Amino acid sequence: EAGVAQSPRYKIIEKRQSVAFWCNPISGHATLYWYQQILGQGPKLLIQFQNNGVVDDSQLPKDRFSAERLKGVDSTLKIQPAKLEDSAVYLCASSPSGYTGAFFGQGTRLTVV
Amino acid sequence: AQRVTQPEKLLSVFKGAPVELKCNYSYSGSPELFWYVQYSRQRLQLLLRHISRESIKGFTADLNKGETSFHLKKPFAQEEDSAMYYCALSYNAGNMLTFGGGTRLMVKP
Repeated sequence: EAGVAQSPRYKIIEKRQSVAFWCNPISGHATLYWYQQILGQGPKLLIQFQNNGVVDDSQLPKDRFSAERLKGVDSTLKIQPAKLEDSAVYLCASSPSGYTGAFFGQGTRLTVV
Repeated sequence: AQRVTQPEKLLSVFKGAPVELKCNYSYSGSPELFWYVQYSRQRLQLLLRHISRESIKGFTADLNKGETSFHLKKPFAQEEDSAMYYCALSYNAGNMLTFGGGTRLMVKP
């Protein structure tokens, strides 16, 4: 089966610019996650969707980050405006209902200069 | 709040030597623990989960609730085991994962 797809793979932007990442989960997976992985650290959950509703976004910096999952399938994560400390790999993951654990995409490496 | 700690950033062993990657957790509820692995230039993937009590690629991990640990073990390391290993805990029954900081395993020939 096809895995979680993310694009772009790499992005370099200047601080205060905006950026968006896209994720297509595994077909049929109801749950979708966005994680942020800063260099040298483990992934940190930013937001979790169940179908097109938000389950948890307590660690999402809502003053600059936003995410949506229209129609309960694809999702986009946006940062506006970006800061230097947002430089990280942004991982999308999905899982089917009732399954604990997650399947990860390749990630998008963001560099803010 | 839940927390996962992997005390070693780097673990270097020779091929054929035993390996133990340490993982400790803190969580007031009933935890579900996982080990994820990331090989070079590949995506993060599930290695094993404690509820399955299975051995994957020769690796095993036992949940010790008394010591709040979930160490990953393999009796004889292979060069292809070289990778980043992350311990993770699922909490809140909502399948949210908290990850440890990761341990890089290097298996030398």
